[in-house]
Amino acid sequence: GDSVTQMEGPVTLSEEAFLTINCTYTATGYPSLFWYVQYPGEGLQLLLKATKADDKGSNKGFEATYRKETTSFHLEKGSVQVSDSAVYFCALSGDMGGSEKLVFGKGTKLTVNP
Amino acid sequence: NAGVTQTPKFQVLKTGQSMTLQCAQDMNHNSMYWYRQDPGMGLRLIYYSASEGTTDKGEVPNGYNVSRLNKREFSLRLESAAPSQTSVYFCASKKAGTSGSSTYEQYFGPGTRLTVT
Repeated sequence: GDSVTQMEGPVTLSEEAFLTINCTYTATGYPSLFWYVQYPGEGLQLLLKATKADDKGSNKGFEATYRKETTSFHLEKGSVQVSDSAVYFCALSGDMGGSEKLVFGKGTKLTVNP
Repeated sequence: NAGVTQTPKFQVLKTGQSMTLQCAQDMNHNSMYWYRQDPGMGLRLIYYSASEGTTDKGEVPNGYNVSRLNKREFSLRLESAAPSQTSVYFCASKKAGTSGSSTYEQYFGPGTRLTVT
């Protein structure tokens, strides 16, 4: 079945450091790919998405490119801030009879120190 | 526009007790979902409802039941709670279908933290 593998954390960085969180997937067909972020004590919220090969999703300085040849969707940010401390989830959408479901990776906790 | 709301925020149950987690959305979404989040496991789908009047099992449905009461509300029931059901439960909703080639995003509630002793 469909699956998502993302790098295990936790990841600890200093402010203004470069961030990469790796994500690879296994899926039939052509799924859409997502990064969700969960701030402490909150639910998940969409950070960015890409729907087809070579698409780049971007938001709040974060970027990820849908790479079909390597089945990857790595999350990057050039300069992280303390406020980026959160748990990041990579996910793909798979169809289940018209109501797409999300398959999540296990999450990567990011802590950014001042 | 409150988005997706969940009640209660916290709950402690004893083994064997029952309870219902409530979820409501005010975005007129057709699809609704229940997930559980456990450390190191990501989110796993318990049940989903593609539209009012339909429900289907997800990845981990055992020990749970759901009701899609109307388009707005989707409840999750634990008939006889077990310690293995200690988790954080999230409800989510989504507009059905796609916008061109893009699937719509899921919107999540703030979660219910459940402890079963």
